[in-house]
Amino acid sequence: DAGITQSPRHKVTETGTPVTLRCHQTENHRYMYWYRQDPGHGLRLIHYSYGVKDTDKGEVSDGYSVSRSKTEDFLLTLESATSSQTSVYFCAISVWTGPYEQYFGPGTRLTVT
Amino acid sequence: DAKTTQPTSMDCAEGRAANLPCNHSTISGNEYVYWYRQIHSQGPQYIIHGLKNNETNEMASLIITEDRKSSTLILPHATLRDTAVYYCIVREETSGSRLTFGEGTQLTVNP
Repeated sequence: DAGITQSPRHKVTETGTPVTLRCHQTENHRYMYWYRQDPGHGLRLIHYSYGVKDTDKGEVSDGYSVSRSKTEDFLLTLESATSSQTSVYFCAISVWTGPYEQYFGPGTRLTVT
Repeated sequence: DAKTTQPTSMDCAEGRAANLPCNHSTISGNEYVYWYRQIHSQGPQYIIHGLKNNETNEMASLIITEDRKSSTLILPHATLRDTAVYYCIVREETSGSRLTFGEGTQLTVNP
């Protein structure tokens, strides 16, 4: 699992509330990613980070923000959760093996009611 | 990144080889072919990657055609635990480049 943990693993929240998901890695890799996956679909990139305080948007970034104040933690925040953000969220890291490979965390299942 | 085309679903008998095709006709010279799989509700798992040559590891083999416009992932002796969605992805090997997932192929291994 490349030392990736996500918390919480499950969360139910109400529309309009802020939510923060945490991704933690133990091996100080530079690149980290947040994806979301909706039923029957592949993963879509929300945001990614290429170092402390260096982040960029992915293809579905609206309604999400991220922060990375330490190498090991990458936080995803839903400023005001909506029902359309009900999804499974996966964190990933890139590991150099000549070339890069991505390793994924176990996922967080978020339900917005 | 180049777009890929995969069949929506495939079936395979347990113990037989599973051959999963992928078309990537617009692949460019510096793009790698990656395969990942996702077992129900889990995070995707890296399987194998290649550039030009065929590759083999403990999980699978990857056969890339000479013109690199298509590839085949081979699971030599499929087991029930290989039932998963398999994603074929092509991308440049820029630093930390992200993955663009399509819909993948649902492989079902039957007893």
